Amino acid sequence: GENVEQHPSTLSVQEGDSAVIKCTYSDSASNYFPWYKQELGKRPQLIIDIRSNVGEKKDQRIAVTLNKTAKHFSLHITETQPEDSAVYFCAANREAGTALIFGKGTTLSVSS
Amino acid sequence: NAGVTQTPKFRVLKTGQSMTLLCAQDMNHEYMYWYRQDPGMGLRLIHYSVGEGTTAKGEVPDGYNVSRLKKQNFLLGLESAAPSQTSVYFCASRPGGMSTEAFFGQGTRLTVV
Repeated sequence: GENVEQHPSTLSVQEGDSAVIKCTYSDSASNYFPWYKQELGKRPQLIIDIRSNVGEKKDQRIAVTLNKTAKHFSLHITETQPEDSAVYFCAANREAGTALIFGKGTTLSVSS
Repeated sequence: NAGVTQTPKFRVLKTGQSMTLLCAQDMNHEYMYWYRQDPGMGLRLIHYSVGEGTTAKGEVPDGYNVSRLKKQNFLLGLESAAPSQTSVYFCASRPGGMSTEAFFGQGTRLTVV
């Protein structure tokens, strides 16, 4: 089955800096890669996703890149703000399958 | 439109007791999932369902059973609770077909003493 590894487990940045979180996956058939944000005490919510026919996707201050050959994808947050502090999860999924497998999460702390 | 609702929100069980967690969604989603969240372990998939009447094992299925008798409900059962099952449990649902967003419930905090 699919295995998703996520690094780093914790990340501390100063407000205004950029943050990068990286994930690798094992199943070469996976082709959907979402990122979820979970604020303290709340449920995870989708912030951005990418499909395997796209190499990069941007949405304001966040972007995701995908390298299918190397089987890794990354989340980039620019101009970080204190409200970006949260746990971020990457995940991988096959189109035809339905098991959505998550990484172990990255706790991002943005200090002002 | 309530989205995904989990019942109960909190529960304390004694070792060996049984219980059922209910997940209900009102979005007519095909796929439903049960995850457990433990510190440093992320979201681990317990069981999932691709449609009414179907279930499949996830990453950590031992000690749990599930049923999806109605499309809108996905039940997670603990037959004989153990302290190792102390966790926060999240249910999620997704539309079928193309890659789609998973919507999570608010979580159930379960403590087994």
